[in-house]
Amino acid sequence: NAGVTQTPKFRILKIGQSMTLQCTQDMNHNYMYWYRQDPGMGLKLIYYSVGAGITDKGEVPNGYNVSRSTTEDFPLRLELAAPSQTSVYFCASKLAGGPDTQYFGPGTRLTVL
Amino acid sequence: AQSVTQPDIHITVSEGASLELRCNYSYGATPYLFWYVQSPGQGLQLLLKYFSGDTLVQGIKGFEAEFKRSQSSFNLRKPSVHWSDAAEYFCAVGGGTSYGKLTFGQGTILTVHP
Repeated sequence: NAGVTQTPKFRILKIGQSMTLQCTQDMNHNYMYWYRQDPGMGLKLIYYSVGAGITDKGEVPNGYNVSRSTTEDFPLRLELAAPSQTSVYFCASKLAGGPDTQYFGPGTRLTVL
Repeated sequence: AQSVTQPDIHITVSEGASLELRCNYSYGATPYLFWYVQSPGQGLQLLLKYFSGDTLVQGIKGFEAEFKRSQSSFNLRKPSVHWSDAAEYFCAVGGGTSYGKLTFGQGTILTVHP
C-alpha cells in the first residue's frame, strides 16, 4: 500500500492563478481531510469528507473548494491564489469515525507570489 | 469549542535526558487524544492515542502519555531522549461526534544536544 499520496510536492503560483492539489489514498478509507500548516500555528482543517459525494467545511475554508467523486480521491482546488494561501498542505484519511488514526500524506508546499 | 494548548514552543534537551511535552485541551465531551510527530519536510506520524481505558498509554519509539481528566492534560514523556527524536510534536483532540475532525495544538519543536 502507498497510503496517502499527494501531488505536487512543491509549487509556486502567481497571484490570481488557480491550481488543484491532488490527494489519493489506497486504504479504502471513508473519511478524508485537508489541512494547512503555517509556522507556529499547528494544523488547521480546511475541508473534510465522510464519503464519496459528501463534503463539508472545516475551520478555514475560504478560498478553497473540494470534491469527492470517488472513495480514493479528494482534490483541493484554489481558484484565485492569494499570498495568504502560502502554506504547507496536508491530506489525511481514516477508515471511519471515532478514535481511528488519521494517516497523513507527505504534504504539498505552496508559495503564492 | 474544542482547543488544544501546547505551552512550550521550543524545548532543548541533552541526549539521554528525560523529556516531558505538555498538552492541555478543552473539549465538551469525552475526548480522543493524539500525539503526532513531524520530522523536517515530512508528514505527520502517529506516536500514540488515548480514547478509553488505562490512562497511561504507550506508543512507538519509547514514548508514553498520561491522560489526566481533572487537569485536562495529556502530557507526552520519554525517559531517555535520542538525537533522532529531534522533531516537532503535535497534540490533537477529537471526539466521537465530530466526524473524526481533529483540533491541533501549535506544536512543540524539540532540539536534542549531543
